[in-house]
Amino acid sequence: DGGITQSPKYLFRKEGQNVTLSCEQNLNHDAMYWYRQDPGQGLRLIYYSQIVNDFQKGDIAEGYSVSREKKESFPLTVTSAQKNPTAFYLCASSISRAAMNTEAFFGQGTRLTVV
Amino acid sequence: AQSVAQPEDQVNVAEGNPLTVKCTYSVSGNPYLFWYVQYPNRGLQFLLKYITGDNLVKGSYGFEAEFNKSQTSFHLKKPSALVSDSALYFCAVRANTNAGKSTFGDGTTLTVKP
Repeated sequence: DGGITQSPKYLFRKEGQNVTLSCEQNLNHDAMYWYRQDPGQGLRLIYYSQIVNDFQKGDIAEGYSVSREKKESFPLTVTSAQKNPTAFYLCASSISRAAMNTEAFFGQGTRLTVV
Repeated sequence: AQSVAQPEDQVNVAEGNPLTVKCTYSVSGNPYLFWYVQYPNRGLQFLLKYITGDNLVKGSYGFEAEFNKSQTSFHLKKPSALVSDSALYFCAVRANTNAGKSTFGDGTTLTVKP
């Protein structure tokens, strides 16, 4: 089955700790995205990547970092600089960012909680 | 700047009745409009999209949406609601004047009661 896999489904972080969320896709898509979802606020773009070894900041990139070393993988690190990291994180992909009439495919999400 | 408004946080309908989830947008240039559905603790699933052509778009699970350029709206509709349609619905817009960035609405929770 083609799709996007996010892991883990639930993640707990201690104060001051960095954590990495995994996102893998086998759809052969060029573009990948990370969104943060908070109750009543819809989706906010954290980072996106249009191609391997390239990524750009989204609207709320502070306290987050990403890498795109392989086409299939786009991990997100939530650093200790992110003051309010408790949220539901969604990874998505699309054929390419330039193909603006194409829909995005989403993973099942990772719920991060600070303890 | 582009934006999407979903004016209703919550929509309640009885099973078998028609449903409408509203979406209005603001964008420079021609819009590409999308509807997604999200079930609890899951990712978003694509329902349908408007690119060009016929203003009435049909999608998955019997949903359809009508693009109205003059009212800048893209309301989601279904003639007969099912209890299983209960979920969170998101409208999204992209435009070729904004480097392909997608903007999502805040979502509307649809509850269908038996």
